[in-house]
Amino acid sequence: KQEVTQIPAALSVPEGENLVLNCSFTDSAIYNLQWFRQDPGKGLTSLLLIQSSQREQTSGRLNASLDKSSGRSTLYIAASQPGDSATYLCAVTGANNLFFGTGTRLTVIP
Amino acid sequence: DTGVSQNPRHKITKRGQNVTFRCDPISEHNRLYWYRQTLGQGPEFLTYFQNEAQLEKSRLLSDRFSAERPKGSFSTLEIQRTEQGDSAMYLCASSQGHLYGYTFGSGTRLTVV
Repeated sequence: KQEVTQIPAALSVPEGENLVLNCSFTDSAIYNLQWFRQDPGKGLTSLLLIQSSQREQTSGRLNASLDKSSGRSTLYIAASQPGDSATYLCAVTGANNLFFGTGTRLTVIP
Repeated sequence: DTGVSQNPRHKITKRGQNVTFRCDPISEHNRLYWYRQTLGQGPEFLTYFQNEAQLEKSRLLSDRFSAERPKGSFSTLEIQRTEQGDSAMYLCASSQGHLYGYTFGSGTRLTVV
């Protein structure tokens, strides 16, 4: 069974700092990898989708990389802002399902 | 495209009562998924529909849970004889296929008292 791990579980940084969130998965037979953001008590907002054949995707201040062979992905957030405070979830796609990590709770301090 | 819509947003029920949640997916998405999320955890898969056919169910989906997707449009998730352990956020997602991303709704927060 696919297992997804996210490190660290929580992260607190001062505003303006660049940061990296890590995600690892045990089975490299994935279709794609998706990063989500979740605000407290809310649903999931998709940030970036990386197809299995791709190495990275960028959207604004966000950059996600994928190394399928080693089972790793990173989400890089540049120039963090207080509005970036949320939980970030990594999910990998199997044939009929998404497998999630437990998330990294990010706090950006003004 | 109005996104994935879930109703109600919040539901408080007494233990033993039945509850039903609704999900309206993005209209052109033929795949629909239900997930359950408890505090501090990532979402866990419950069940998956392709059009009106329920193709996969997690062992988390006990016999008190039933899901339908009549005519391949909206879906309902019913929980019978609710228990306190059913308290969670129930999330619905839709997709055009496994090569595409998933779009999630805002979820239904269930509290069983």
